[in-house]
Amino acid sequence: SQTIHQWPATLVQPVGSPLSLECTVEGTSNPNLYWYRQAAGRGLQLLFYSVGIGQISSEVPQNLSASRPQDRQFILSSKKLLLSDSGFYLCAWTGGYGYTFGSGTRLTVV
Amino acid sequence: QQPVQSPQAVILREGEDAVINCSSSKALYSVHWYRQKHGEAPVFLMILLKGGEQKGHEKISASFNEKKQQSSLYLTASQLSYSGTYFCGTWAGATNKLIFGTGTLLAVQP
Repeated sequence: SQTIHQWPATLVQPVGSPLSLECTVEGTSNPNLYWYRQAAGRGLQLLFYSVGIGQISSEVPQNLSASRPQDRQFILSSKKLLLSDSGFYLCAWTGGYGYTFGSGTRLTVV
Repeated sequence: QQPVQSPQAVILREGEDAVINCSSSKALYSVHWYRQKHGEAPVFLMILLKGGEQKGHEKISASFNEKKQQSSLYLTASQLSYSGTYFCGTWAGATNKLIFGTGTLLAVQP
């Protein structure tokens, strides 16, 4: 069966520090991968998605970037975090049906 | 571009019914429904692929009117476990991305 792993679960980072969040999927090949962000009490905002290795589509211009170095690995990064980057970051994958989300990373920028 | 859901919030007693609506300004190929418990990742409930199609999941069912670009989620005989925020997600063709609606907070009380 397919599983998705996302870490860390919680992160507190100072303003201006770098960020790296990792997501991996097991049990499937060539999945579509997604990064969403959810501000407190708000909806799910699509940040990036990827349909294959090295293929990244950006939805919202900002100081975040994403990379897909391997088929089942998706990384979200930032060189310098802003206070507004705080939120609940969710990785998701789909093989063509519903989306399966990772458990999420709750990021607080202080 | 983001689908609009109504109502924004609803409070029910156990056993009562509810309807959550999702409306898009764009032509839709499919609609997804997800439930998110507080502090957790969204969980896929169902996908509707054809106009007018109804699908069911436990005592939760949904309809999709492709022409009206609308979908509705029906919760019958609600249980405490139904509490959470419900999101519709719309898939507008070969874009490889799911855009989530504004969300509906459902609280079921004993």
